[in-house]
Amino acid sequence: GAVVSQHPSWVICKSGTSVKIECRSLDFQATTMFWYRQFPKQSLMLMATSNEGSKATYEQGVEKDKFLINHASLTLSTLTVTSAHPEDSSFYICSAIDPGLPYEQYFGPGTRLTVT
Amino acid sequence: AQSVTQPDIHITVSEGASLELRCNYSYGATPYLFWYVQSPGQGLQLLLKYFSGDTLVQGIKGFEAEFKRSQSSFNLRKPSVHWSDAAEYFCAVGPLGGNLIFGKGTKLSVKP
Repeated sequence: GAVVSQHPSWVICKSGTSVKIECRSLDFQATTMFWYRQFPKQSLMLMATSNEGSKATYEQGVEKDKFLINHASLTLSTLTVTSAHPEDSSFYICSAIDPGLPYEQYFGPGTRLTVT
Repeated sequence: AQSVTQPDIHITVSEGASLELRCNYSYGATPYLFWYVQSPGQGLQLLLKYFSGDTLVQGIKGFEAEFKRSQSSFNLRKPSVHWSDAAEYFCAVGPLGGNLIFGKGTKLSVKP
């Protein structure tokens, strides 16, 4: 099956700094990727839809200037958490749609972000 | 409004016993339905999906789910649970090729 990777798998950063999370589709080209956020013992909440070559579409309540998404190529989308605060600590999961197989999303393993 | 409800937050079953996890959805269009499993600190693994056709779908690891349109349900079942099935299970609904709406999840614990 298709594989989606995320890097890093976990990261600790200090308040006020920025951190970048990468999401890669390893064996297919993904025109669409999604970024989800999962709080402890909670469900996944969609943050934004990332489309290659265009601006991301953010869900209501998600600050686009704080969570910068760049989908620069068909295999890479990045999420940058700018000026991170402790409340940004969460589990971030990306997923990608294989346009040849649009019936399911392939999820990355997630990135655990801890802001101290 | 589009939503997915998993009424059971936590279920405990004995190893070897049968399992049913409930999922109800509210969706305006033709629903594409999914069940995912998540182990602690891990991403999501697709167990099975339903798009059309036979309402009883088979998945990996011995899981199956039945789509009942009249009840807006897509319950997950397994006839005999193994200790390795202990995890968090998420039901999701979405359009073809679009983002998914997830339920809050059901945590499954397995007693030896």
